[in-house]
Amino acid sequence: EDKVVQSPLSLVVHEGDTVTLNCSYEVTNFRSLLWYKQEKKAPTFLFMLTSSGIEKKSGRLSSILDKKELSSILNITATQTGDSAIYLCAVFSGGGADGLTFGKGTHLIIQP
Amino acid sequence: NAGVTQTPKFRVLKTGQSMTLLCAQDMNHEYMYWYRQDPGMGLRLIHYSVGEGTTAKGEVPDGYNVSRLKKQNFLLGLESAAPSQTSVYFCASTTAYEQYFGPGTRLTVT
Repeated sequence: EDKVVQSPLSLVVHEGDTVTLNCSYEVTNFRSLLWYKQEKKAPTFLFMLTSSGIEKKSGRLSSILDKKELSSILNITATQTGDSAIYLCAVFSGGGADGLTFGKGTHLIIQP
Repeated sequence: NAGVTQTPKFRVLKTGQSMTLLCAQDMNHEYMYWYRQDPGMGLRLIHYSVGEGTTAKGEVPDGYNVSRLKKQNFLLGLESAAPSQTSVYFCASTTAYEQYFGPGTRLTVT
């Protein structure tokens, strides 16, 4: 059974801090790992990491895939209150027909 | 291009009532999915479809049925709603690697 574990489950920091969110996975036939940001609505796509693209960056957000450790991290630098959200990690495996296996998410709260 | 849409956005049912949630996508995607999201549980796959006329069970299919009569639509049915089905339901459609989510339906069963 595919498994995705995120840590921490919740995190409270002050504006301007840097945070690192963790995701580890155990899946058959890994294809890609995705990060989503979820506020009070549907998840919105942040990054996709595959075996051929193990590091992505967009503004203050960056993510790295560690194929050896079967894990990924999502970094957010100079955090802002607008970064407060649930961050979801998910893994596509097999033929994609089974959908994504999601972790339970990290609830990030940025205090002013 | 509306992406993925869901109707209704909110619904309250009494135990034993039935309803259908509609998901529509205009991106010509083959794969479509229904998830439910509960506090502390993340998103869990209910049913999915790999093309028009096909459906398959996901992780938590009990109490739900689905149909994919047209490529752009994926329906989720609850024949006899139970309080345990109180949740937020998300539909998604996919390219090879990325999923696009609908806005969600918040369902409460009393």
